Amino acid sequence: QITLKESGPTVVKPTQTLTLTCTFSGFSLDTSGVGVAWIRQPPGKALEWLAVIYWNHDKRYRPFLKHRLTITKDTSKNQVVLIMTDMDPVDTATYYCARNDFGVLPNWFDPWGQGTLVTVSS
Amino acid sequence: QSALTQPASVSGSPGQSITISCTGTSSDVGSYNFVSWYQQHPGKAPKLMIYEVSKRPSGVSDRFSGSKSANTASLTISGLQAEDEADYYCCSYAGRSTFYVFGTGTKVTVL
Repeated sequence: QITLKESGPTVVKPTQTLTLTCTFSGFSLDTSGVGVAWIRQPPGKALEWLAVIYWNHDKRYRPFLKHRLTITKDTSKNQVVLIMTDMDPVDTATYYCARNDFGVLPNWFDPWGQGTLVTVSS
Repeated sequence: QSALTQPASVSGSPGQSITISCTGTSSDVGSYNFVSWYQQHPGKAPKLMIYEVSKRPSGVSDRFSGSKSANTASLTISGLQAEDEADYYCCSYAGRSTFYVFGTGTKVTVL
């Protein structure tokens, strides 16, 4: 059974840096074709892909947020960390991590973690 | 980097069929058969329902089907049931620069 769980602060202040951790089980990020992605959802709004890291260390970021995002992996701990700098109230959202399949090309997200709500407020 | 366009809401009676459209461009939906669909119930995480345009993961009801024509992908739910009431999102691979783009989301209501 594959599971993922997000952890991190529930509240951050504007301009602060957010660090989120995705801890997963049931698969390895050393396995070819496997990745872990971060996706967020502002309250009442649509899903928004943020970043993904793959078994081969390849990393991809949402273009307009690339300058604020860093994604890393610790294969020994089965963890993926997302760092987002210069947080703003518009970054208030539920942040999800999900396993990402990469066969021929980047593919589906499944399963997803339960999500963690991050509120940006002073 | 625009989101894929979906209707805000679609409704149907139990037993009916409904179709949700997902319109992109020749840079995403039109270029790749890597469109997936996700179901999200209120307060819950999204669940994969369709991948690679029309493939169903194990455990997903065959009442859910997907298709694509040009720049528009579609999700059809046949034999609509109360449990299908949820938000639905499409997602497409969009090339090496943009990578992924999600849809605007559609709220499905079972009347």
